[in-house]
Amino acid sequence: DAMVIQNPRYQVTQFGKPVTLSCSQTLNHNVMYWYQQKSSQAPKLLFHYYDKDFNNEADTPDNFQSRRPNTSFCFLDIRSPGLGDAAMYLCATSPQAGAWNEQFFGPGTRLTVL
Amino acid sequence: TQLLEQSPQFLSIQEGENLTVYCNSSSVFSSLQWYRQEPGEGPVLLVTVVTGGEVKKLKRLTFQFGDARKDSSLHITAAQPGDTGLYLCAGARAAGNKLTFGGGTRVLVKP
Repeated sequence: DAMVIQNPRYQVTQFGKPVTLSCSQTLNHNVMYWYQQKSSQAPKLLFHYYDKDFNNEADTPDNFQSRRPNTSFCFLDIRSPGLGDAAMYLCATSPQAGAWNEQFFGPGTRLTVL
Repeated sequence: TQLLEQSPQFLSIQEGENLTVYCNSSSVFSSLQWYRQEPGEGPVLLVTVVTGGEVKKLKRLTFQFGDARKDSSLHITAAQPGDTGLYLCAGARAAGNKLTFGGGTRVLVKP
């Protein structure tokens, strides 16, 4: 089945220790998104790629970086995690840019910062 | 400023009861999606509505898009414990490829 896969599902890191979260998709979608979701809140968009075109949200901290080496994979790098970065990180894909914008989410990676 | 306001924020009902969740905005959206998210999982797309006044049904779920495309509602008939989850509405504007999410409605259906 075509899907969005996130690894790992649970990630524990130490304060200040870099961490990378990964996302892969078999949907062949052009657009990939990274969201941060804190408990009982709506997902907050960090950035997205339209093909290789990177789009950063204005309020995304510099501590968060992303890479998309090919259509299928996208990575979220947190350079120096703080306690406030503990959250669920969601990857999503969309077939194209535009008004329909149906997004398909992965299961998420729950990040714990000790 | 949150462009999409969901109400209520939390809803607890008994199995078999009906419920309605509302999603309101002062802005016009080209399309609006409803997602359900279970604890520890990603949101799952339930429906997309694009035409003002549109009504879509998914088994016991009925979704409506307002005539002016500024609001939407989700109605669940005879709720079951499996309907428990966080319901999110999300709208897309005419241009661009980002969704604006509502704050979510947490629904608890007790057996």
